[in-house]
Amino acid sequence: EAQVTQNPRYLITVTGKKLTVTCSQNMNHEYMSWYRQDPGLGLRQIYYSMNVEVTDKGDVPEGYKVSRKEKRNFPLILESPSPNQTSLYFCASRGQGAASTGELFFGEGSRLTVL
Amino acid sequence: GENVEQHPSTLSVQEGDSAVIKCTYSDSASNYFPWYKQELGKRPQLIIDIRSNVGEKKDQRIAVTLNKTAKHFSLHITETQPEDSAVYFCAASLARAGNYQLIWGAGTKLIIKP
Repeated sequence: EAQVTQNPRYLITVTGKKLTVTCSQNMNHEYMSWYRQDPGLGLRQIYYSMNVEVTDKGDVPEGYKVSRKEKRNFPLILESPSPNQTSLYFCASRGQGAASTGELFFGEGSRLTVL
Repeated sequence: GENVEQHPSTLSVQEGDSAVIKCTYSDSASNYFPWYKQELGKRPQLIIDIRSNVGEKKDQRIAVTLNKTAKHFSLHITETQPEDSAVYFCAASLARAGNYQLIWGAGTKLIIKP
């Protein structure tokens, strides 16, 4: 089954304790992206990656890191989480090139609470 | 910078009535306009999209219209049903060589009253 898988789905942590949210897709998509969703603010892009070893900042990259060492994986790293990073996080992927329809496939979301 | 404005932020309609959500975009070069639906506690999923070479697209009870001159596009849902209750997001993109970088609206919470 084609899917984007995020882990963990739920996490409560404390300020300053490094954490990683993993994202993996099995659709051989070149493009992957991370979003955060907050009430009234919609989906805001954190980072995106057009392909392996290529990453770019989105609209709200401060406090986050990403890496793209393999095509299928795109982990989101919070080196020193703060309470303002409490949010619902979505990973998404899509194909690129002439065959791409543009459709984004989202993971199920990871709800992060930073105390 | 480029932005997409979406209205209303909340829309409440009687079951069976129609619902219309409107988005306005700023980049006149945008040529791809998707709509995503997010049910409560679920992930966003694409429900319909339109490209700038057409003015309207329908899929059963949902339709999207595009006015390139005015730079706005709208989602129309007819004969609304309880399962249409969700948050709807519009987006706009300049699609070039298969690359789509979406600019998102803030979302509309659609409530279907029984």
